[in-house]
Amino acid sequence: DQQVKQNSPSLSVQEGRISILNCDYTNSMFDYFLWYKKYPAEGPTFLISISSIKDKNEDGRFTVFLNKSAKHLSLHIVPSQPGDSAVYFCAARKRQGGKLIFGQGTELSVKP
Amino acid sequence: DAGITQSPRHKVTETGTPVTLRCHQTENHRYMYWYRQDPGHGLRLIHYSYGVKDTDKGEVSDGYSVSRSKTEDFLLTLESATSSQTSVYFCAIRGDRTFYEQYFGPGTRLTVT
Repeated sequence: DQQVKQNSPSLSVQEGRISILNCDYTNSMFDYFLWYKKYPAEGPTFLISISSIKDKNEDGRFTVFLNKSAKHLSLHIVPSQPGDSAVYFCAARKRQGGKLIFGQGTELSVKP
Repeated sequence: DAGITQSPRHKVTETGTPVTLRCHQTENHRYMYWYRQDPGHGLRLIHYSYGVKDTDKGEVSDGYSVSRSKTEDFLLTLESATSSQTSVYFCAIRGDRTFYEQYFGPGTRLTVT
């Protein structure tokens, strides 16, 4: 069973506009949520995180929102830039044991 | 840059042969992880280590074994490679800044023919 889901395999956005990447999770056993960005032929790089007791965390152009009642988190990138084109993974950290569970990834393409 | 290297970066091997992938870190991190990345599955944890000689299984550990005889090296072994183990393998460490962030190596692309 997929505990962390990214239902959109791909997203295309115009440069300068907002990119919104979504992630859903199935239960409340997670204490932190993380976003990673991955370029081809490279390892994932950590982008931003949020604690389960918060509902928003912001870092420059990147903001993560957490809706606990809907078990949903989203990553907003404003403004989007062509260099943001990559695969984005959301991950949830299990409260017990500390393991990360990853979503399937969403490929973002930012068009000039 | 978390000082993580992986070797080899690419490998092609035949079904039934043993394969060992190496992860090396230079910053004395206690926790190390092996993941595989496959289309439609994201990253899945194979095994992890919480210290020298201390390892445990992840969600997809069948067909894999690990060893950690030194803090800096975490080895992943496929005892008898199968085509289903064709994948990209990533090593990660748990960072020191927080207890939940993990930082990844560049990956090893393994093809089993």
